[in-house]
Amino acid sequence: KQEVTQIPAALSVPEGENLVLNCSFTDSAIYNLQWFRQDPGKGLTSLLLIQSSQREQTSGRLNASLDKSSGRSTLYIAASQPGDSATYLCASQAGGSQGNLIFGKGTKLSVKP
Amino acid sequence: EPEVTQTPSHQVTQMGQEVILRCVPISNHLYFYWYRQILGQKVEFLVSFYNNEISEKSEIFDDQFSVERPDGSNFTLKIRSTKLEDSAMYFCAGRGQALLEQYFGPGTRLTVT
Repeated sequence: KQEVTQIPAALSVPEGENLVLNCSFTDSAIYNLQWFRQDPGKGLTSLLLIQSSQREQTSGRLNASLDKSSGRSTLYIAASQPGDSATYLCASQAGGSQGNLIFGKGTKLSVKP
Repeated sequence: EPEVTQTPSHQVTQMGQEVILRCVPISNHLYFYWYRQILGQKVEFLVSFYNNEISEKSEIFDDQFSVERPDGSNFTLKIRSTKLEDSAMYFCAGRGQALLEQYFGPGTRLTVT
């Protein structure tokens, strides 16, 4: 059974700092991995999706990487801003499934001005 | 930009009552999902729905739960007899045929008293 873990659970950084959020998964036979942002009491906003055949995806200041063999993905945020403060979730989709996602518990990021 | 919408945003109900949570997915999406998030816990998969039938369901999705898409637009989750432990945020999500990325609605907060 796939387990997704995110470390650290919380992270506080000063504005402008580059940072890395970590996601690990136990079953390397994933179909894809998706990163989300969740603001308090709100829904999930999709940030990036990496297919199993890809090693990384970029969107603006965000870069996500995937290493299936080691069961790890990272989300790199460049030049962090207070508006980046939110909880970041990673979720894996198993191969052969109908797309149901298995989520980590998230990393709560706080960017201080 | 098209969005997934959910109603109501907050529902309070008494234990044992039936509730129906409603979702309007993005119009060209074909795969639909319900997830839930108990306060402070991971987002958990409940059920996936494709071609007017359930394609996968989790252990959480027992006989008390049902889903339907009665009119080709609304996608509903019904809980027949709510329990205290059903209190959670319920998210609807969808994706297209070729798209792998899932798009989530803002959620319905269900409180069972």
